[in-house]
Amino acid sequence: GQSLEQPSEVTAVEGAIVQINCTYQTSGFYGLSWYQQHDGGAPTFLSYNGLDGLEETGRFSSFLSRSDSYGYLLLQELQMKDSASYFCAVFLDRGSTLGRLYFGRGTQLTVWP
Amino acid sequence: DTAVSQTPKYLVTQMGNDKSIKCEQNLGHDTMYWYKQDSKKFLKIMFSYNNKELIINETVPNRFSPKSPDKAHLNLHINSLELGDSAVYFCASSQDPGAGNTIYFGEGSWLTVV
Repeated sequence: GQSLEQPSEVTAVEGAIVQINCTYQTSGFYGLSWYQQHDGGAPTFLSYNGLDGLEETGRFSSFLSRSDSYGYLLLQELQMKDSASYFCAVFLDRGSTLGRLYFGRGTQLTVWP
Repeated sequence: DTAVSQTPKYLVTQMGNDKSIKCEQNLGHDTMYWYKQDSKKFLKIMFSYNNKELIINETVPNRFSPKSPDKAHLNLHINSLELGDSAVYFCASSQDPGAGNTIYFGEGSWLTVV
């Protein structure tokens, strides 16, 4: 089976930097995605790491280390609107289980003024 | 124009009833999904269709039956609803099932079984 671990809650103040970690144990790992979900809303795509290293998109960056089965999402210059749940999700090997994206249980980020 | 739209947004029904949730995407994607999010926000894949063909069927009770009349639509029918079926059901789509392809979610259908 698959297992993903991420903290359940993180709090920070506006302007700060926060890192949300994700560790995974899966068979046939292919890549790691991050999604954001505001209360009552739909999950929306933030980033994808298929290779080791850092991917940067504006204030958000995501990192992957396959050898450590570990990734993180880095949020910089936090704003109140960043308060949301953040999910890491693993994409399994296309050959064995086509199109399977498994989500972690999410990290609730609260940004205080 | 909404990319992935699903109806109804809210649904309250009694145990034992049968209900359907409809989903449509106007993104031209080949792959569509149903995800279930429980009260603890755990988001779990239920089904995936690629070009109207079922490619993923997770361990979901037979009471749940997806139907894809064409690649832009994926409906979910639920028979004999149970209290434990109360959840938010998200329809989603992607260009293909390949890794890294962005999955676009609908706004969710909030199902409450009483």
